[in-house]
Amino acid sequence: DAGITQSPRHKVTETGTPVTLRCHQTENHRYMYWYRQDPGHGLRLIHYSYGVKDTDKGEVSDGYSVSRSKTEDFLLTLESATSSQTSVYFCAISGDRGNYGYTFGSGTRLTVV
Amino acid sequence: TQLLEQSPQFLSIQEGENLTVYCNSSSVFSSLQWYRQEPGEGPVLLVTVVTGGEVKKLKRLTFQFGDARKDSSLHITAAQPGDTGLYLCAGDAGGGADGLTFGKGTHLIIQP
Repeated sequence: DAGITQSPRHKVTETGTPVTLRCHQTENHRYMYWYRQDPGHGLRLIHYSYGVKDTDKGEVSDGYSVSRSKTEDFLLTLESATSSQTSVYFCAISGDRGNYGYTFGSGTRLTVV
Repeated sequence: TQLLEQSPQFLSIQEGENLTVYCNSSSVFSSLQWYRQEPGEGPVLLVTVVTGGEVKKLKRLTFQFGDARKDSSLHITAAQPGDTGLYLCAGDAGGGADGLTFGKGTHLIIQP
């Protein structure tokens, strides 16, 4: 059991369409994070959650929204996908706000055409 | 916003050589972590250092946290092709729920 899974692993979508990425954890961790990883920029925080229905914006939140209705699921939605949102998206979980490390999912490679 | 600068950005060396990767900031961190990422996968935690001056060893990898808790280094002895990957440092500034600040990473290639 991986503890954290992301779906889908790969997705190609058209500009202007909504897209939802899912992160599912079985660790019962309180904190969940969505990052995007781009060449030259590293990992940048999009949104994070510190509990069910408790979410906040990160560094690059424009054009993204999140929801967390259950401890185990954290959804990232691109309201209207743009080519600049082509990226690799990673979900991470932590039991202690990250002080002792994150566990990352395997990522979703999203291409917006 | 706290920034973590990693150097070098790219490093390609021969198997058996030693290397050091640096992670520097002007900010103080309550803890600092190192991750390794392979192509197509998420980063995997290698180590967390918490105390200024702390040194941790993981087989051929030695991690050090600076006395002032603003910088860290990763030293690999007798590098092997299996060490190839992207190495990321990440710092926790403490306090907020938004967690870690990541450096941009060091791409390491160990050639046989």
